[in-house]
Amino acid sequence: EPEVTQTPSHQVTQMGQEVILRCVPISNHLYFYWYRQILGQKVEFLVSFYNNEISEKSEIFDDQFSVERPDGSNFTLKIRSTKLEDSAMYFCASRDRRSNQPQHFGDGTRLSIL
Amino acid sequence: LAKTTQPISMDSYEGQEVNITCSHNNIATNDYITWYQQFPSQGPRFIIQGYKTKVTNEVASLFIPADRKSSTLSLPRVSLSDTAVYYCLVYGNNRLAFGKGNQVVVIP
Repeated sequence: EPEVTQTPSHQVTQMGQEVILRCVPISNHLYFYWYRQILGQKVEFLVSFYNNEISEKSEIFDDQFSVERPDGSNFTLKIRSTKLEDSAMYFCASRDRRSNQPQHFGDGTRLSIL
Repeated sequence: LAKTTQPISMDSYEGQEVNITCSHNNIATNDYITWYQQFPSQGPRFIIQGYKTKVTNEVASLFIPADRKSSTLSLPRVSLSDTAVYYCLVYGNNRLAFGKGNQVVVIP
């Protein structure tokens, strides 16, 4: 069964450094999402992306965050200058172009900011 | 976004059928009801989705009454590996708004 894959599984970074989290969505999917989950808390929406542009973003997704689809298979989340409070699991999701299809999630990248 | 309400936690014995209820009083006409399962340190895994009446797949059944203000996820004959957090969401092609979910613990 096709799945969303994310790399790396764990990223440890010094505060203030830039990080790029990578995702390979399911191949025929056209809608892409990033969510995060701080330890012990709810899964929170960050951003959705369609047709090479952001379609919706949350208040969490500030100027430090950016997303990109650099080629036909990858979808990345960049955090420009990491803060301690960025430590979380980051999940990528994708869905089919047809209406009301479910989002399928990867197993996430655990980001630890020191 | 329509809010959902679920019990915080429940225990069940291995081999039993587990029914998890969810209320979504403000569901919109175009919303679907979607359930996810999450294990620790893993991403949410899609279980089942429906609009009305009953939907069944290889892992679960979803019962939705005519007014669509609630739904029940049914897991037949649970095993220890079904211990997880289960999320009920209403979904209209936009962002998913996760609540705290229902922690289901399967006991031997």
